[in-house]
Amino acid sequence: KQEVTQIPAALSVPEGENLVLNCSFTDSAIYNLQWFRQDPGKGLTSLLLIQSSQREQTSGRLNASLDKSSGRSTLYIAASQPGDSATYLCALETDSWGKFQFGAGTQVVVTP
Amino acid sequence: DAGITQSPRHKVTETGTPVTLRCHQTENHRYMYWYRQDPGHGLRLIHYSYGVKDTDKGEVSDGYSVSRSKTEDFLLTLESATSSQTSVYFCAISESGQVEAFFGQGTRLTVV
Repeated sequence: KQEVTQIPAALSVPEGENLVLNCSFTDSAIYNLQWFRQDPGKGLTSLLLIQSSQREQTSGRLNASLDKSSGRSTLYIAASQPGDSATYLCALETDSWGKFQFGAGTQVVVTP
Repeated sequence: DAGITQSPRHKVTETGTPVTLRCHQTENHRYMYWYRQDPGHGLRLIHYSYGVKDTDKGEVSDGYSVSRSKTEDFLLTLESATSSQTSVYFCAISESGQVEAFFGQGTRLTVV
């Protein structure tokens, strides 16, 4: 069974610092990996989708990398802002039915 | 935002009563999913649907049933609610496997 781990569970950084969020998984046979953001009491917002054949994806200040051989993905958020405070979840699509296996998330606080 | 509406958004119910949660989409996506989110567990798949009347079990399906009689609606039923089913329930949709998934705002269910 695929295990997805996100470390650290919580992170606090001052505004302007770059954020590095880690996601590790045990089975490299994945279809894609998606990073989500979740604000308290809200749903999940899709940030980036990396197909299994891709190494990275970028959107604005966000960059996500994927290394299947080592079972790792990293989400970089450049020049963090207080509005980036949220929980970040990584999710692996493990079959062709679009089913996801989620990590427990990293809770990020960006202090002004 | 993807057109996904979950109802109700909050519900308190008594142990042993039946409960039905509704997910309605306006995107005409083929795939729909129900997840539950609990502290320390991340999101876990309950059931999913790959078309009208086509459903299958996920990781934590015991005590839950689903139905999908129309493309736009996916119902999750707790036949006899238990305290262990107190959770936040999320509906998700995707056009197919291996593409971006979109999530609803969630339903907070408390079983007392």
